[in-house]
Amino acid sequence: DAGVIQSPRHEVTEMGQEVTLRCKPISGHNSLFWYRQTMMRGLELLIYFNNNVPIDDSGMPEDRFSAKMPNASFSTLKIQPSEPRDSAVYFCASSTLAGHRDTQYFGPGTRLTVL
Amino acid sequence: SQKIEQNSEALNIQEGKTATLTCNYTNYSPAYLQWYRQDPGRGPVFLLLIRENEKEKRKERLKVTFDTTLKQSLFHITASQPADSATYLCALDPGYSSASKIIFGSGTRLSIRP
Repeated sequence: DAGVIQSPRHEVTEMGQEVTLRCKPISGHNSLFWYRQTMMRGLELLIYFNNNVPIDDSGMPEDRFSAKMPNASFSTLKIQPSEPRDSAVYFCASSTLAGHRDTQYFGPGTRLTVL
Repeated sequence: SQKIEQNSEALNIQEGKTATLTCNYTNYSPAYLQWYRQDPGRGPVFLLLIRENEKEKRKERLKVTFDTTLKQSLFHITASQPADSATYLCALDPGYSSASKIIFGSGTRLSIRP
């Protein structure tokens, strides 16, 4: 199994630009999570999906952030417009059970730098 | 709101000794508590999960304890090896019945010197 796949691995963009991060969960997993990690705030859950349906997006910082899961094998996290304070590592994770009780498998992350 | 505290300072341990990492929380006891390992430039990797009605869980050289009275979990690595050097995160999961979501500690960086 290839594990959770994220792209791009690194993204450098200028303030105001749109950024789209992509995630392919492990086949057969029906829960998908988006996290953001910074030195100051640690690892924060932004949003999670069960069976492609967003369940809890209370962690999404602002309306500039949006996430979609059009099918079981693909999800995107979009930031529009991006700001320097969005610079962080964004992780996608997937699991087999609804919610958090099962092991979450994390992707390698996307390091985003907004200049 | 729930807060998690992990050793903010890096932990340096001599190879072969037991490393003990602490995870303290301030509010309600979570239904589940998880420990993850994170290496530089990589995503966290799940290690162990312990339920609120369990006192201790073991896996090979790893041991986790959960004390809901002290609101604390301890993570032990026995016979530590340099390959155990990494950042270790604890995560609190309130469980299915709660509207609260999983939250992670900021992690403790562990270094095992030969």
